[in-house]
Amino acid sequence: GAGVSQSPRYKVAKRGQDVALRCDPISGHVSLFWYQQALGQGPEFLTYFQNEAQLDKSGLPSDRFFAERPEGSVSTLKIQRTQQEDSAVYLCASSLGGGSPLHFGNGTRLTVT
Amino acid sequence: RKEVEQDPGPFNVPEGATVAFNCTYSNSASQSFFWYRQDCRKEPKLLMSVYSSGNEDGRFTAQLNRASQYISLLIRDSKLSDSATYLCVVEAGGTSYGKLTFGQGTILTVHP
Repeated sequence: GAGVSQSPRYKVAKRGQDVALRCDPISGHVSLFWYQQALGQGPEFLTYFQNEAQLDKSGLPSDRFFAERPEGSVSTLKIQRTQQEDSAVYLCASSLGGGSPLHFGNGTRLTVT
Repeated sequence: RKEVEQDPGPFNVPEGATVAFNCTYSNSASQSFFWYRQDCRKEPKLLMSVYSSGNEDGRFTAQLNRASQYISLLIRDSKLSDSATYLCVVEAGGTSYGKLTFGQGTILTVHP
């Protein structure tokens, strides 16, 4: 596709449920990033991949958060046992790497009730 | 101290005004710098990269001061359509090479 695609666009989960958020990056982009954005804040880094390798996961807030990119293209961010504080917009971005600018998807707005 | 810091504003300026935003970063090994723009409930979009020599794109001018570790964005002749949140973005160097960190964002409102 022409841009980064994320699904679902909106997700409502009951507290304690597991969720999986999908990101389809721009074809050929080796770097893929996940960010969490709370209302009124800038995007907060969660994790990033270069191809299938997860190079940095220091931003994942707890062990309930897990990300993978097994074939170096599509990535999934999984949140287990969701809590209300997980409510945010989850943004995925991809780039050619090496300091190239990021291209963002529309994000997934997660609401935990 | 946050890795990237911005004054959150808001900045409220009339059309035609010149407005400047600053951003400071803590990692002296940072390699690349960008300004992104984010409209309400939309994803961030690249506004411009920031080069050591400074660069200009129409009404927008970006400057980088490595010695003081700050980045600036100047908008001349503000338009209503410039109203948005402006995000300063820094790419880490060293062992965190490739990781991009965002500032909190500066809110700009341009009014008639």
